[in-house]
Amino acid sequence: SQQGEEDPQALSIQEGENATMNCSYKTSINNLQWYRQNSGRGLVHLILIRSNEREKHSGRLRVTLDTSKKSSSLLITASRAADTASYFCATGPLTDSWGKLQFGAGTQVVVTP
Amino acid sequence: KAGVTQTPRYLIKTRGQQVTLSCSPISGHRSVSWYQQTPGQGLQFLFEYFSETQRNKGNFPGRFSGRQFSNSRSEMNVSTLELGDSALYLCASSLGDLESPLHFGNGTRLTVT
Repeated sequence: SQQGEEDPQALSIQEGENATMNCSYKTSINNLQWYRQNSGRGLVHLILIRSNEREKHSGRLRVTLDTSKKSSSLLITASRAADTASYFCATGPLTDSWGKLQFGAGTQVVVTP
Repeated sequence: KAGVTQTPRYLIKTRGQQVTLSCSPISGHRSVSWYQQTPGQGLQFLFEYFSETQRNKGNFPGRFSGRQFSNSRSEMNVSTLELGDSALYLCASSLGDLESPLHFGNGTRLTVT
């Protein structure tokens, strides 16, 4: 079963626009991570935010975490065609954690030139 | 630094057969995790190995097994293949602590006919 729910399921934007996607989860977590997957390829780690952090930035990425609402958001600013991919949030559980991330269903992002 | 390497890239097998998938982690990474990705169930955790020991296991039947060698390379075996085992199998390596991100290979696409 999947821990997280991403919203929206799909997002279509033009180059230069911002893309925002949300993730909700159900149980207490150690951390929350975001990954990107290009079609048919492996996942690429984007950013990790700890449960005691509220916001984190990395380049054009901004992640927020609200543990009281069990939700997170990923903002990609000034989108490029190369950002076209599926984006997954993944939570690191408090127990039985070794190597185990619980992934959401993902948001498919299409950025058109 | 070389990334995570999975072989083979594609496999076609018949129901009832068995299959072995291979994963070479990033140099220095002692943890290897395996995930199954399908359109219906998304990304699901299979198991994690650290220093040749299985530390964590997902909810898959005993037909799914794995092992890790002293050089941290890992193999995953699926016996008595079923049609539902068709999936992208992803291997990920990490340093093995709870906050290290997972570094994924490009996966092995298994088709069971």
